Amino acid sequence: GQNIDQPTEMTATEGAIVQINCTYQTSGFNGLFWYQQHAGEAPTFLSYNVLDGLEEKGRFSSFLSRSKGYSYLLLKELQMKDSASYLCAVRDNTNAGKSTFGDGTTLTVKP
Amino acid sequence: GAGVSQSPSNKVTEKGKDVELRCDPISGHTALYWYRQSLGQGLEFLIYFQGNSAPDKSGLPSDRFSAERTGGSVSTLTIQRTQQEDSAVYLCASSLGQQGPSYEQYFGPGTRLTVT
Repeated sequence: GQNIDQPTEMTATEGAIVQINCTYQTSGFNGLFWYQQHAGEAPTFLSYNVLDGLEEKGRFSSFLSRSKGYSYLLLKELQMKDSASYLCAVRDNTNAGKSTFGDGTTLTVKP
Repeated sequence: GAGVSQSPSNKVTEKGKDVELRCDPISGHTALYWYRQSLGQGLEFLIYFQGNSAPDKSGLPSDRFSAERTGGSVSTLTIQRTQQEDSAVYLCASSLGQQGPSYEQYFGPGTRLTVT
């Protein structure tokens, strides 16, 4: 099975940089995903990592270290609209369709 | 094109009644997923379909839960004899495929189920 840990809450200031960490213990690994979920809305895809290293996409970047079971999501130039829950999800390679989600990190961006 | 749609958006039912939740995936997406999300929690995997078959049903919480998919498109999640602990938002997602980035899941708006 999978066990995923991420901080419950974080607060940051508009314009700043914030890093949201995710650690996982898995029986198999076939990719790590980050999703953004605004309150009352469905999750939307942010990033996908399957190899070690940094993937950059605009203001958002995601890093993966498979040997350490560790990923982070980096948000730059924070905007108020970035206030949301950020979900880390790991895909199981023993079951092609199954992803296990963490409980999410609620990020509050303050002026 | 149209995204994933789910119906109803809200459902209030009495304990012991059966409910059916519907999901229309994005056209052409072969994989379809059902999740459950309780307030303030992450997503709990329930079941996924590749085409019309469900290789893994282990996430279904009990035998009161069942799901089917027909024609490689619409899926229905049925909960029999609902209990109050079934109250949650039920999210459906679909993906183009199962390989690499094609596994990116697109979520529907969810069905909020309240069992009274």
